[in-house]
Amino acid sequence: GAVVSQHPSWVICKSGTSVKIECRSLDFQATTMFWYRQFPKQSLMLMATSNEGSKATYEQGVEKDKFLINHASLTLSTLTVTSAHPEDSSFYICSARAGSGGPYNEQFFGPGTRLTVL
Amino acid sequence: GESVGLHLPTLSVQEGDNSIINCAYSNSASDYFIWYKQESGKGPQFIIDIRSNMDKRQGQRVTVLLNKTVKHLSLQIAATQPGDSAVYFCAEKYGKLIFGQGTELSVKP
Repeated sequence: GAVVSQHPSWVICKSGTSVKIECRSLDFQATTMFWYRQFPKQSLMLMATSNEGSKATYEQGVEKDKFLINHASLTLSTLTVTSAHPEDSSFYICSARAGSGGPYNEQFFGPGTRLTVL
Repeated sequence: GESVGLHLPTLSVQEGDNSIINCAYSNSASDYFIWYKQESGKGPQFIIDIRSNMDKRQGQRVTVLLNKTVKHLSLQIAATQPGDSAVYFCAEKYGKLIFGQGTELSVKP
């Protein structure tokens, strides 16, 4: 299957700083990328959907000014957590999809990034 | 974001037994369903999928059953092995992919 990578795999930062997480599709062009957040012992919650070259669409309750998403190329999307606080500590997972987004287009998931805000 | 359920039920089985993991989905118009396996500290891994026009699909050691009448999915794992220990999530697709409640499977040797 297609491979999606994330960098870094884990990061620790101080409260008030910003952190950038990269998501790359390694062997395919991702027209759409998704960012999920997962708290311990909970399900994955969709944060936002981004199409290459367009502004991201955020899910209800997700602050777009706090979680900046850039999808500048067909193989790279970045999530920047601005002014991070301890409650932003979570596991962030990206997913990438090629194609037109029809009902059966598979999404490929990255390995996740563990963010800890002190 | 959306999520169905905030708690993680657990299922403990003996090695070699069959496992059945259940999931209730939320949208009757969802047209595609996927089961994922997630090991600790890793991203979700695709296991098997099923389209809404089917009620059963089999893979290697896994079977997914879909009951649209009651909006229910199940994942059956035959001859469960210690390597199957993980959290299993169902996901439904209606435009976007929404993850359901996970189940933590623990396999006792």
